[in-house]
Amino acid sequence: GQQVMQIPQYQHVQEGEDFTTYCNSSTTLSNIQWYKQRPGGHPVFLIQLVKSGEVKKQKRLTFQFGEAKKNSSLHITATQTTDVGTYFCAGGYQKVTFGTGTKLQVIP
Amino acid sequence: SAVISQKPSRDICQRGTSLTIQCQVDSQVTMMFWYRQQPGQSLTLIATANQGSEATYESGFVIDKFPISRPNLTFSTLTVSNMSPEDSSIYLCSVEGLFTGAGQETQYFGPGTRLLVL
Repeated sequence: GQQVMQIPQYQHVQEGEDFTTYCNSSTTLSNIQWYKQRPGGHPVFLIQLVKSGEVKKQKRLTFQFGEAKKNSSLHITATQTTDVGTYFCAGGYQKVTFGTGTKLQVIP
Repeated sequence: SAVISQKPSRDICQRGTSLTIQCQVDSQVTMMFWYRQQPGQSLTLIATANQGSEATYESGFVIDKFPISRPNLTFSTLTVSNMSPEDSSIYLCSVEGLFTGAGQETQYFGPGTRLLVL
């Protein structure tokens, strides 16, 4: 079946440093979604990308969908303590397959 | 976005017992799903809850262990039957909602039910 891997699994950064998580799928994705899960919380939808090579920005967050629609990345510029959490990519409609997640810790 | 509530929010259960988790949505939705998130892990889809018919289960999940009901377009239940410590997880329901403007779809999650089986 489809597998969606994310690297790194964990990332500790000093507040103000940048952070990037990478998402790779074993198969071509119709879309890619990104979710953030705060400690003790539930996943919250951040954004969806559907076009090959698409780039979207939300304030300090930049999302990219690969040309082959098999990979994606999330880049956070100048991290803040509020960015702490686990970031999941997910692909597909209806039967969504979630990536393995990247846990971000920001050190004040 | 849809407002989703789950009950109970958490529970501690004895092995061999069953727990029914409720998911309520504030608007009618077509697609409802149940996920499991084991400690420190990603989300795994258990099943799609179909209104008026039997749920569609993913590989590795069976109806006898995880019976699901979906009596209408705003409500669903998931039962975790004959529980063992391996069932200790967060159980989340989710719904699909229209992504404004583009007609695409995304998922909104309930707050989750944290289950500990002793």
